[in-house]
Amino acid sequence: AQSVTQLGSHVSVSEGALVLLRCNYSSSVPPYLFWYVQYPNQGLQLLLKYTTGATLVKGINGFEAEFKKSETSFHLTKPSAHMSDAAEYFCAVSDPGGSNYKLTFGKGTLLTVNP
Amino acid sequence: DAGVIQSPRHEVTEMGQEVTLRCKPISGHDYLFWYRQTMMRGLELLIYFNNNVPIDDSGMPEDRFSAKMPNASFSTLKIQPSEPRDSAVYFCASSGITNEKLFFGSGTQLSVL
Repeated sequence: AQSVTQLGSHVSVSEGALVLLRCNYSSSVPPYLFWYVQYPNQGLQLLLKYTTGATLVKGINGFEAEFKKSETSFHLTKPSAHMSDAAEYFCAVSDPGGSNYKLTFGKGTLLTVNP
Repeated sequence: DAGVIQSPRHEVTEMGQEVTLRCKPISGHDYLFWYRQTMMRGLELLIYFNNNVPIDDSGMPEDRFSAKMPNASFSTLKIQPSEPRDSAVYFCASSGITNEKLFFGSGTQLSVL
């Protein structure tokens, strides 16, 4: 069974500061990994995904994430936070060997950006 | 394309009543998913369909919950009878066969009093 752990349910940064949201996963096979963002009163939107190939993945809005197999991690980063980045972020994993459309989500990390 | 469309956006009902949530996926998408989001449990997959056929309903909490997809452009999630612990945001999402990206609707906020 797959699982996702997001460390820190709430992260607060200042505008212009580095954003680091942590995600660790558990999977019996090399997984597909995703980060989704949810703005207030909206559905989730895909930020970026890792399937195969390059382990550093770039997404929308300046976010990127690096797949580290040895650490079973897929942390999300952005060099400089913007007020518009305030949202909830979800890490997710799917099993490419099975039902790869069936995502297991972490519990989310709420990002607050202070002026 | 208008994206995934869910209705209603908000539903307030009393315990014991039947609730029906509706979803229109993006045209051409072969997969449809129903998720439930609560503070305590986060985002949980309830059921998903492929080409209108239910593939995995292991996340459906109990027999009070049922989901149907009578055609490629419409799905329903029904709760009968509803209970206060069913209060949550219910999301529908769809995906195409060649793309693992899920497209989410804006959700239905359900409150059972």
